[in-house]
Amino acid sequence: QKEVEQNSGPLSVPEGAIASLNCTYSDRVSQSFFWYRQYSGKSPELIMSIYSNGDKEDGRFTAQLNKASQYVSLLIRDSQPSDSATYLCAVKYGGATNKLIFGTGTLLAVQP
Amino acid sequence: GAGVSQSPSNKVTEKGKDVELRCDPISGHTALYWYRQSLGQGLEFLIYFQGNSAPDKSGLPSDRFSAERTGGSVSTLTIQRTQQEDSAVYLCASSAGTYNEQFFGPGTRLTVL
Repeated sequence: QKEVEQNSGPLSVPEGAIASLNCTYSDRVSQSFFWYRQYSGKSPELIMSIYSNGDKEDGRFTAQLNKASQYVSLLIRDSQPSDSATYLCAVKYGGATNKLIFGTGTLLAVQP
Repeated sequence: GAGVSQSPSNKVTEKGKDVELRCDPISGHTALYWYRQSLGQGLEFLIYFQGNSAPDKSGLPSDRFSAERTGGSVSTLTIQRTQQEDSAVYLCASSAGTYNEQFFGPGTRLTVL
């Protein structure tokens, strides 16, 4: 059973702090990794993708991938109340199918 | 519009009725996916279309569920003889290119009474 695990939270951080969201996955041949943000009542919005080991930065967001540890994380610097949402980790496993396996998400609450 | 569109946005139906949900992918995207999200649950893969290849139907929960994609663009997800456990948000996504970044539509909220 291919799985993607996330802490459901809520993760509460003060405004301006760094929020750290974590995700582990079970299949070593996984190729692509994605972070989606989902506001309550809305559909998921892609915010980061990462394909190779190391860090990838985009504005206030940094995705980190460690394939040896089967671990991917998302850092949000200078957190804002508008960042409060559920963050979904998604993994594309190896093979012909292009489907994504999603974690159940971590709820982030940024306190003003 | 530039994004994935879905219709209807909300659908209320009675148990046992058939429903059709529609998805218009981003223009030029060759891959189209259907997922569903039940209350408090993660996204569950249903079916995947890629170009003219046979679809990956491995996520369909029962033979009451079917989907088609006409002309490589618009897709329709059909649920026959709906049950209360079918109540969920049905999300469509499309992607293009090597790295499979999927972009989601706004979803259809299905309520089966």
